[in-house]
Amino acid sequence: AQSVTQLGSHVSVSEGALVLLRCNYSSSVPPYLFWYVQYPNQGLQLLLKYTTGATLVKGINGFEAEFKKSETSFHLTKPSAHMSDAAEYFCAVIGNFNKFYFGSGTKLNVKP
Amino acid sequence: DAGVTQSPTHLIKTRGQQVTLRCSPKSGHDTVSWYQQALGQGPQFIFQYYEEEERQRGNFPDRFSGHQFPNYSSELNVNALLLGDSALYLCASSPDPGQGTNEQFFGPGTRLTVL
Repeated sequence: AQSVTQLGSHVSVSEGALVLLRCNYSSSVPPYLFWYVQYPNQGLQLLLKYTTGATLVKGINGFEAEFKKSETSFHLTKPSAHMSDAAEYFCAVIGNFNKFYFGSGTKLNVKP
Repeated sequence: DAGVTQSPTHLIKTRGQQVTLRCSPKSGHDTVSWYQQALGQGPQFIFQYYEEEERQRGNFPDRFSGHQFPNYSSELNVNALLLGDSALYLCASSPDPGQGTNEQFFGPGTRLTVL
């Protein structure tokens, strides 16, 4: 069975600081992992995904994530936060037939 | 390409009523999945339609039903609405997994409020 745990429902950083959003997964098969961002009153937008190959994945808006099988983790990072990064971020793992299992989300607040 | 579209944007219903939400997938996509996102939670999988049939279902009661049309658009129906059905309902489309692509594209959602 697949599941995702996101540690920290709220994360607050200063503008220009490092962003680190944590995601741990459980999967009975080699995982396909995703990070989505959701701005207020909007749907989900794909940031990046890991399927196979290179374990460091680069996405849009300067975000990247590293797949670590030994730690069952897929943490999202960005070297320097921008005010426009304030949103809710969801980690997801894919199951059979593209069924997505989402974490409970992390709200990122960026302070000026 | 218009992407995934959903209608209506917002909906207010009372307990016991029925509601129908609509979704048009991204061009070239034939698989539609529906998710419920309650306030403060991550999206929960309701079901998925492919070739006009329900292919997978999450842990939702039979009050939740759906349909997919020959043009791949889809409807989500909820009967006997409960207060707890208040949520953002997201539609996502994707090519069939058999084509080797697993990304899902999400629509903006329909905000359902049950009073």
